[in-house]
Amino acid sequence: LAKTTQPISMDSYEGQEVNITCSHNNIATNDYITWYQQFPSQGPRFIIQGYKTKVTNEVASLFIPADRKSSTLSLPRVSLSDTAVYYCLVGAPYNTDKLIFGTGTRLQVFP
Amino acid sequence: DVKVTQSSRYLVKRTGEKVFLECVQDMDHENMFWYRQDPGLGLRLIYFSYDVKMKEKGDIPEGYSVSREKKERFSLILESASTNQTSMYLCASSLPPPLVGPGEAQHFGDGTRLSIL
Repeated sequence: LAKTTQPISMDSYEGQEVNITCSHNNIATNDYITWYQQFPSQGPRFIIQGYKTKVTNEVASLFIPADRKSSTLSLPRVSLSDTAVYYCLVGAPYNTDKLIFGTGTRLQVFP
Repeated sequence: DVKVTQSSRYLVKRTGEKVFLECVQDMDHENMFWYRQDPGLGLRLIYFSYDVKMKEKGDIPEGYSVSREKKERFSLILESASTNQTSMYLCASSLPPPLVGPGEAQHFGDGTRLSIL
C-alpha cells in the first residue's frame, strides 16, 4: 500500500491560492490519487481524483507529475469556508477498503 | 445527492453495555463502511460490506461486529463497550469500483460521537 505524507497544517489568507502537496513515493501502477475535505463535525467529502497530469473541477485542481511520486491539490482564491482538513489517499479502485485516510492537512484560512 | 444518515450525533453509554450504531444510505450503494476517527490517528477502517449479509474486517475490527440485513442499512455493534472505544464513528457508502478507470467516491455521514463512561 502506498503511504502518503502531507503537511500537518497550513495557513492562508482569503483570496490566495493554496497548494497542498502530498508525497507518495511507493505509488503503484494501478493506484489513483484522491483528495477528500472534512469540515468540523462532518464526514469527509470527495473533492477530486486523478491518475496523471492535471485534473480540474469546479472546486480544485490536481497536479500530478510524470513520475507520480507526489501530487498537489490546488485551491484557487480560498475563502474562510475552505478552512478544513484535507486528506490525500492513494490506492487502486478495486481496493476501496484499503484506502488509508491519514491525519490530513489542516488548512486555516484567515480574513 | 447521496444521503448517509447516522442515527445519533452524540451517544453516551456505560462500560460493558452492548451498543448499536445505525447507518442508512439512500442511493442503493453496494459498499458500506464503518470508520473510527481519533485525534492524531486519522480515520481507521473497522469493517466494510460489499453486499447484503457480506462483511469484511478492516484494520481494527477487535471489539466490534457488524450487521447488514438490508442493502441500505449497515449497523456497527460494540459487543461490550470499553472506554477505549470512545471515539467519533463515521459511516460511508459507495458504488462498487468499475472494471476500469477511477474508483467511486465514498459518501460519508456526519458521524456519531460516542462516549463510553
